[in-house]
Amino acid sequence: QSVLIQAPSVSATPGQRVTISCSGSNSNIGSNYVYWYQQLRGMAPKLLIYRDSERPSGVPDRFSGSKSGTSASLAISGLRSEDEADYYCAAWEDSLGGPVFGGGTKVTVL
Amino acid sequence: QVQLVESGGGVVQPGESLRLSCAASGFTFDSYAMHWVRQAPGKGLEWVAVISYDVTIKYYAASVEGRFTVSRDNSQSTVYLQMNSLRPEDTALYYCARVEQPVVTYYGIDVWGRGTTVTVSS
Repeated sequence: QSVLIQAPSVSATPGQRVTISCSGSNSNIGSNYVYWYQQLRGMAPKLLIYRDSERPSGVPDRFSGSKSGTSASLAISGLRSEDEADYYCAAWEDSLGGPVFGGGTKVTVL
Repeated sequence: QVQLVESGGGVVQPGESLRLSCAASGFTFDSYAMHWVRQAPGKGLEWVAVISYDVTIKYYAASVEGRFTVSRDNSQSTVYLQMNSLRPEDTALYYCARVEQPVVTYYGIDVWGRGTTVTVSS
């Protein structure tokens, strides 16, 4: 059981908007930045969103992040076939001395 | 460009040891904290250890505390993970990763290596 809770899977058709939620607690999301990663099949994770809502250069603006209290969300608008991947949230955990990850959400493009 | 290349993985028996290395390039290595994160086959990401840029901070996941040791050689731009008393549940792809801000330790990861595979089996 991961410390950060994500739905295991979500599916949608091309062009639709998908939202992935990440639920935590005061000791992680509630007091530290949230990061989102995309992992394509067989590849290393890639940073999508940092510090709750910032996008690294090169990440399309179809991806956006937000945070409220102890929960965070990743939204993908205008879903494309190449967005089919696993998505993980992460945040520093004060009681651990390290980051915790969500269990991952598999996005399927129908 | 920023690059992290892991090496040292392999197949070992339970109880044996292995040392992973991660060679960094393309950035000022001695200014950044570094993580090890692992991913068991078909599973999610699990944080293993972190070392601060100046080696004053080392933290470990409870599952590896006392068995694994993280270290770094800033003159060689390399971070290491010494893994002792390996167990079958340590079988995973081990990633080396960089913290996204220089000097600070408690920010998230921005760059990942491709990983090196560790298999613990009798």
